[in-house]
Amino acid sequence: AQSVTQLDSHVSVSEGTPVLLRCNYSSSYSPSLFWYVQHPNKGLQLLLKYTSAATLVKGINGFEAEFKKSETSFHLTKPSAHMSDAAEYFCVVNTGGFKTIFGAGTRLFVKA
Amino acid sequence: DAGVIQSPRHEVTEMGQEVTLRCKPISGHDYLFWYRQTMMRGLELLIYFNNNVPIDDSGMPEDRFSAKMPNASFSTLKIQPSEPRDSAVYFCASSPDISNQPQHFGDGTRLSIL
Repeated sequence: AQSVTQLDSHVSVSEGTPVLLRCNYSSSYSPSLFWYVQHPNKGLQLLLKYTSAATLVKGINGFEAEFKKSETSFHLTKPSAHMSDAAEYFCVVNTGGFKTIFGAGTRLFVKA
Repeated sequence: DAGVIQSPRHEVTEMGQEVTLRCKPISGHDYLFWYRQTMMRGLELLIYFNNNVPIDDSGMPEDRFSAKMPNASFSTLKIQPSEPRDSAVYFCASSPDISNQPQHFGDGTRLSIL
């Protein structure tokens, strides 16, 4: 069975400091993994995706994520947080079947 | 690329009334998804279509909910009769395929049932 766990419901960082949002997945097959961002009153927007190519994936707005099969992780990082990064972030897994699993979300707060 | 278009953006109505939410997917996307988002339950998949055919409606909460896709460019989600517990944000998303490609989301319909 496939599943996805976002390890933190809330993360708070200061502007200009690094961001780390953690995601672990469970899958019997090679997964496709995605990170989405949701700003207030908006739909989910794709940040980046992993589909069995390079394990380090670069996305929009300076975000990147590394697929680590041995750790079944797909953590999202950014070297320097900006106020505009404050939003909710969703880790998503699909193993080629007909079910896409969304994580519960991590709300990122950025302090000035 | 106009993106996924949902209407209305906001809907406020009294319980017992019929509610119809509308979605126009991205042209060429064969898959269309309806989601519901609440604070308590997060993001839930209600139903999805492939080439206008409903494939999995196991997430539809009860018979009061129904969804249709009469053609490749239009889908509706209907609630009849509506209840206060149906209050949520409803999202439509579309995708070229079911697994390797991301889903593209609309901005949602915020539904309030009084």
